[in-house]
Amino acid sequence: EAQVTQNPRYLITVTGKKLTVTCSQNMNHEYMSWYRQDPGLGLRQIYYSMNVEVTDKGDVPEGYKVSRKEKRNFPLILESPSPNQTSLYFCASSPTAGTKLSYEQYFGPGTRLTVT
Amino acid sequence: AQSVAQPEDQVNVAEGNPLTVKCTYSVSGNPYLFWYVQYPNRGLQFLLKYITGDNLVKGSYGFEAEFNKSQTSFHLKKPSALVSDSALYFCAVSSLYGGGSQGNLIFGKGTKLSVKP
Repeated sequence: EAQVTQNPRYLITVTGKKLTVTCSQNMNHEYMSWYRQDPGLGLRQIYYSMNVEVTDKGDVPEGYKVSRKEKRNFPLILESPSPNQTSLYFCASSPTAGTKLSYEQYFGPGTRLTVT
Repeated sequence: AQSVAQPEDQVNVAEGNPLTVKCTYSVSGNPYLFWYVQYPNRGLQFLLKYITGDNLVKGSYGFEAEFNKSQTSFHLKKPSALVSDSALYFCAVSSLYGGGSQGNLIFGKGTKLSVKP
């Protein structure tokens, strides 16, 4: 089954404790992206990757890191989480036609992160 | 800079009536426009998109949207609403020539659709 998987689905942690949220897709998509969803703010893009070893900042990259060493995986790293990073996080992937972001994205089920 | 506005936080419709969820956008260059739906405790699902061509695009579950370049709008419509359409709807825009980078996708804040029996 074609899908985007995220782990963990739920995570409660404390301020400053490094964590990684994994994202994997089995559709051989070039493009992958991370979003956070907050009430009243919709989805905001954190980082995206157009292909392996190519990553770029979205609208809210502060406090996050990503890497794209393999096509299928795009982990999101919080080096020192803070309470304002409490949110619902989504990973997504899509194929690309060259440099055009014209294809729909496939979303993972989400990771609900609470930082105390 | 690219932006998307969904002016209504919530839309209430009676089952069987037509529904419209509004979206306006601001980009430089030609926009790529998308609608996604989010059911409770689920990820987003793609509904439809406008890239080029016919201004009226049809998508999943009987939804359609009309691209209006002069009004910079891309409203989502359905002729007859179902209770099962109740969900959170997001409009999104991407532009190859916009203020953001090539992979930058901007979402609206979402509109909660409530369909009552």
